[in-house]
Amino acid sequence: EVQLVESGGGLVQPGRSLRLSCAASGFTFDDYAMHWVRQAPGKGLEWVSGISWNSGSIGYADSVKGRFTISRDNAKNSLYLQMNSLRAEDTALYYCAKDISLGGWLQSSGFDYWGQGTLVTVSS
Amino acid sequence: QSALTQPASVSGSPGQSITISCTGTSSDVGSYNLVSWYQQHPGKAPKLMIYEVSKRPSGVSNRFSGSKSGNTASLTISGLQAEDEADYYCCSYAGSSTSVFGGGTKLTVL
Repeated sequence: EVQLVESGGGLVQPGRSLRLSCAASGFTFDDYAMHWVRQAPGKGLEWVSGISWNSGSIGYADSVKGRFTISRDNAKNSLYLQMNSLRAEDTALYYCAKDISLGGWLQSSGFDYWGQGTLVTVSS
Repeated sequence: QSALTQPASVSGSPGQSITISCTGTSSDVGSYNLVSWYQQHPGKAPKLMIYEVSKRPSGVSNRFSGSKSGNTASLTISGLQAEDEADYYCCSYAGSSTSVFGGGTKLTVL
């Protein structure tokens, strides 16, 4: 059974940093690209970042480019999101999502498994 | 990276069919057959319903179908059921290793 479990969320002051983690199990992690998707309270989904199987291709939404860094450790079946210079508008539930396409590249066909999310609140 | 455009809400009666549109540009929806659709019930994680414009993942009812014409993709739900009431989001690959979601559509089953 595929499982994605996010952690690392919490309350943080504007301008500070936070690192999210996603522990994956139930599939061959390094066969797939992985993504972070967020959802602000009462709002829609926003794709944040994606990373190919070998970290050779990485993409970011304009809203986080230069502030967030995605990474993965295939030996640990884990995905990460380092979030720096956090703003109030980064407040959201952050989901880890698995790409559906075997092969692991970032021309994403869709996200077939999602975690339950970790909540990040940016406030003073 | 502008969000794809979806209607804010649609509604239908049980047994009817509804269609949700998703309009992008020639840089995203129009350039790639990489449109996906998600269903989200309140307090739950999104669920993949359609990928690559018209393919259904295993376990998704064949009442759900997808299509695309030019810069607009569509999700059709036939034989509407009460449990279909949810928020629906489209998503497209947008080039340069990025993806973009639509703003979401609230489906009400009357």
